[in-house]
This record gives sequence, structure tokens and C-alpha cells, in this order.
Amino acid sequence: DIQMTQSPSTLSASVGDRVTITCRASQSISVWLAWYQQKPGKAPKLLISKASILESGVPSRFSGSGSGTEFALTISSLHPDDFATYYCQQYHSYSHAFGLGTKLDIK
Amino acid sequence: EVQLAESGGGLVQTGRSLRLSCRASGFTFADYAMNWVRQAPGKGLEWVSFIRSEDDGGAAESAASVKGRFTVSRDDFNSVVYLQMNSLEAGDTATYYCTRGRRPDGGTSYYYFDYWGQGTLVTVSS
Repeated sequence: DIQMTQSPSTLSASVGDRVTITCRASQSISVWLAWYQQKPGKAPKLLISKASILESGVPSRFSGSGSGTEFALTISSLHPDDFATYYCQQYHSYSHAFGLGTKLDIK
Repeated sequence: EVQLAESGGGLVQTGRSLRLSCRASGFTFADYAMNWVRQAPGKGLEWVSFIRSEDDGGAAESAASVKGRFTVSRDDFNSVVYLQMNSLEAGDTATYYCTRGRRPDGGTSYYYFDYWGQGTLVTVSS
């Protein structure tokens, strides 16, 4: 089974900061990676698919990069609405494995 | 507007069964794969099951952790997907989300999830 490792598990930052969350796959998943944002008590929301394709309506301050085993989600300038938990998910293999999540909180 | 509405969750004893439903609207249900994803309290996300569209073969698959106990099915006429959960264990306690699956035309046979329901909580207790 493919394992997805996200880092860091927790990230403290301030409004206006640039932040990067990384996701590593235990074997190559090509570009078959999605990123989601989840706020407390709510369902996850799709941000990015195919490693770097921004979902319609998602602000352009979000970007994704990577291929193979190394991926990143970058928020170029944090807004107050961005403090949430972020998950990566691979769809290269049937396990559809998610990372354990990165909680982004206010410093 | 795409909407997914789960129902059927609740408190159930260990070893018993429960069936979840998800009613979809706002899109052509028969054209899409549907999935179940769960989240244990305070934990991360875990994919549970998918069922492909009939045009894509209609096959269903489940995660190893639930295989043989959970079965996903669909009713395209009524735009509903079901998750039949048997032999429930304490470890199945979670919020269960119904999601629409998307995949590219080539390169992978598996899905990312572009729309999610609000979730239904299943609590398994002895």
C-alpha cells in the first residue's frame, strides 16, 4: 500500500505569511495527488487536483507542485480564512490514501 | 448546484448492521463514480469504498479494513448510493462522508473527491 506522509503536522503562522506544506508518497504516484482543506465541524473541500490544478473558485494564493513522490501545497499570503487542516490524497492506487493532515493555526 | 445528503447514521451495538444512504442532486448521478470516506473523531480521513458508474463498468471496491463487511451499491434511477455495514466494530466509529469521484481520462483508474456531503455520524458501542 502507498503511504502518504505530510509535514509538518502542525504549522503556526501569521496573516500575510507564505507557508508550504509537503506531502511525500512511499512510491511514485506520478501527478495523481489532490489537496483538501477542512475546517472544524465541516466536510473537506477540494483545493487542487493532479498535483497543481486549482479547483474553480479556489483563490490563486493557493498553488500545488510536485510529481513522483514529492509534493507541496503553498499559500502565498495567508488570509484569516485559511487557518484550517489540510490533507493530501493520492489516487494512483486503489487505497486512495490520505496524509494524516497539517493543522495550520494562528501564531 | 451539486448536493449530497447522507442519512442513516446513529448509535449501534458491536456486531450489528447499519445502512447509510446518500441522495444526490444537481448533476447526472449515473455519469459519476461515488465514494464513501470516513473520519474517526479527532482523526484524519480514510477512504472506505467506491462504486464506478455503469458506463465505467460499475465495479465496486472497498478498503482492506472493511472488505467483507461493507458493501457499496447504487440506484441510478433515484440518484442514491448506499453503504451496507455489517459486523460493525468499535473502530468503525466515524463520520461517514458521501463523495463524488472524479478521475482523468487516462493515467489512473482511481478518484479524487470534488464534492462532499455534510457527513453522518456512526457510533459503534458495546
